Amino acid sequence: NAGVMQNPRHLVRRRGQEARLRCSPMKGHSHVYWYRQLPEEGLKFMVYLQKENIIDESGMPKERFSAEFPKEGPSILRIQQVVRGDSAAYFCASSSATGLNTGELFFGEGSRLTVL
Amino acid sequence: AQSVTQLGSHVSVSEGALVLLRCNYSSSVPPYLFWYVQYPNQGLQLLLKYTTGATLVKGINGFEAEFKKSETSFHLTKPSAHMSDAAEYFCAVRNNAGNMLTFGGGTRLMVKP
Repeated sequence: NAGVMQNPRHLVRRRGQEARLRCSPMKGHSHVYWYRQLPEEGLKFMVYLQKENIIDESGMPKERFSAEFPKEGPSILRIQQVVRGDSAAYFCASSSATGLNTGELFFGEGSRLTVL
Repeated sequence: AQSVTQLGSHVSVSEGALVLLRCNYSSSVPPYLFWYVQYPNQGLQLLLKYTTGATLVKGINGFEAEFKKSETSFHLTKPSAHMSDAAEYFCAVRNNAGNMLTFGGGTRLMVKP
């Protein structure tokens, strides 16, 4: 009974490289959310996706960041040309359609990106 | 838009003492409110939630929270702190569209022996 799976757990990139973070939602969940947690700060919403659709990306930076949730496979958060300010923990959460009624989300353990 | 304010980014209590973590929210619709806990290097785990009905909700690990509409508050309490309660706690409110959560800045709870 796997929960939300994120990988890699830790990722180190040099400035200018690309970072790809993957998230497999809980079995039966078709709604995926990405949140970012900067050091000593709370969680900031980035994007909400359903299979093959971006529902709300109001929290995504306009440049360098993109997300997808294909019909098959995990959701991917992609950061191009990373900068030091991108260093953070990126959390994925998932929900079922029923869970949306109450807003309950199930979180992965996060991917910690460090940009050198 | 919804927002959540957690007063006190750090709270320190002695083992066995009362735990009180404060959360105030703003919402233009009846809110759904949540408390999540995050242990070091882990994801968030749901402690408890308020949707409708009884305003005092009980969660895991002996925590409870009371929804007070007049005060727009949803404070988290536990009668007696345990060392294992040391973690970061996040209050959250569901947005109007009902499809995401807005989190507060978090409160780090430290428990002294």
